[in-house]
Amino acid sequence: GESVGLHLPTLSVQEGDNSIINCAYSNSASDYFIWYKQESGKGPQFIIDIRSNMDKRQGQRVTVLLNKTVKHLSLQIAATQPGDSAVYFCAENRYYGGSQGNLIFGKGTKLSVKP
Amino acid sequence: EPEVTQTPSHQVTQMGQEVILRCVPISNHLYFYWYRQILGQKVEFLVSFYNNEISEKSEIFDDQFSVERPDGSNFTLKIRSTKLEDSAMYFCASSEGQGTGELFFGEGSRLTVL
Repeated sequence: GESVGLHLPTLSVQEGDNSIINCAYSNSASDYFIWYKQESGKGPQFIIDIRSNMDKRQGQRVTVLLNKTVKHLSLQIAATQPGDSAVYFCAENRYYGGSQGNLIFGKGTKLSVKP
Repeated sequence: EPEVTQTPSHQVTQMGQEVILRCVPISNHLYFYWYRQILGQKVEFLVSFYNNEISEKSEIFDDQFSVERPDGSNFTLKIRSTKLEDSAMYFCASSEGQGTGELFFGEGSRLTVL
């Protein structure tokens, strides 16, 4: 079944507001999560990551929160700008028997920013 | 800024034909990947490659698929006999090290199988 998924397929926010994009995961053994942004016609672009020994990590205008108790993570974007309009994917690192681990993406939330 | 480049940007092929998608990863990266995205759906892992061999592959990556690093710069994905359901955007990615979630993706090659 789906291991990583998003709560809402679309999110519309006003420019300047904060955005919160949510993601749930099912595997309690998952220990590394990553957020990607995909603009129309482009490949995914890394935003921020978090490991399970942390519950919060901040980047430039973005914050990721991890709640291991309820297996939930969120991406917060401060002062959302039109350039933030994209599809946002959460991903987990999964191992297929090797040591490297590879990304399992969720379904994506489309963020639209209204001017 | 260094980037991953992919060719072709779009390829149309007949069912049963062989297709080769090409990628030039970022030059100092050591790990290479192929992912695919069926239109409107999530990005799916296919295969990872390190030190001239496959390090991991998903259940999607069956005997129809193969990867190769024919020289010091290119990384290719071959689909031996394409099926309609192979129609998708194929993304190449590379990363510096092991165990990082920071992959650098190319802009993708759209494959349409008729």
